[in-house]
Amino acid sequence: QVQLVQSGAEVTKPGASVKVSCKASGYTFTNYKMTWVRQAPGQGLEWMGWISAYSGHTKYAESLQGRVTMTTDASTSTAYLELRSLRSDDTAVYYCARDLRDGDSLTWSDPWGQGTLVTVSS
Amino acid sequence: EIVLTQSPATLSLSPGERGTLSCRASQSVGRSLAWYQQKPGQAPRLLIYDASNRATGTPARFSGSGSGTDFTLTISSLEPEDFAVYYCQQRSNSIFTFGPGTKVDIK
Repeated sequence: QVQLVQSGAEVTKPGASVKVSCKASGYTFTNYKMTWVRQAPGQGLEWMGWISAYSGHTKYAESLQGRVTMTTDASTSTAYLELRSLRSDDTAVYYCARDLRDGDSLTWSDPWGQGTLVTVSS
Repeated sequence: EIVLTQSPATLSLSPGERGTLSCRASQSVGRSLAWYQQKPGQAPRLLIYDASNRATGTPARFSGSGSGTDFTLTISSLEPEDFAVYYCQQRSNSIFTFGPGTKVDIK
């Protein structure tokens, strides 16, 4: 079955960078897009962007432009999210989620990884 | 950016009751809207996509309707496992946004 397994929790300082991984299994990795979503403690969901695992094409939320980079490694079926110049309000659970359908269309997020807690604190 | 508003913020219901959740978009999104369910400590789960299509595994008591700017998620008869937070999400020009969520709790 399709599984997305994310890397473990991170604690990092303001101004630093963090890189979260999402290892996929159970499907052809390059046939789907991957989306990243975050959720601050006690808050709602924030869409961060998506990447095509086939072409590497990305689309980022405007609020994160310049600080975020999404990449994929087809050889290991792994997607990565890097966030730079971290601030305390970047403290959140970060989720990866595969696109519902394969191919060129961009649809909805299903299934999701288990989430990775990133804590930014001095 | 298209903004989604959800109402009510909290819906207090008893098991067996009908629940009606609303999602309104600041401009038309056609039928490009989905609903997700999130339980405490868990990742969200896709329930409904393209406004009215149930995702695999979504029970038939969940139904979605609407188009343009007004959408509704209906739970026909609440089961104990349905008490959760529900988010709507829209897709427009390859950009997505989520609504703030509606918490369905036990009355």
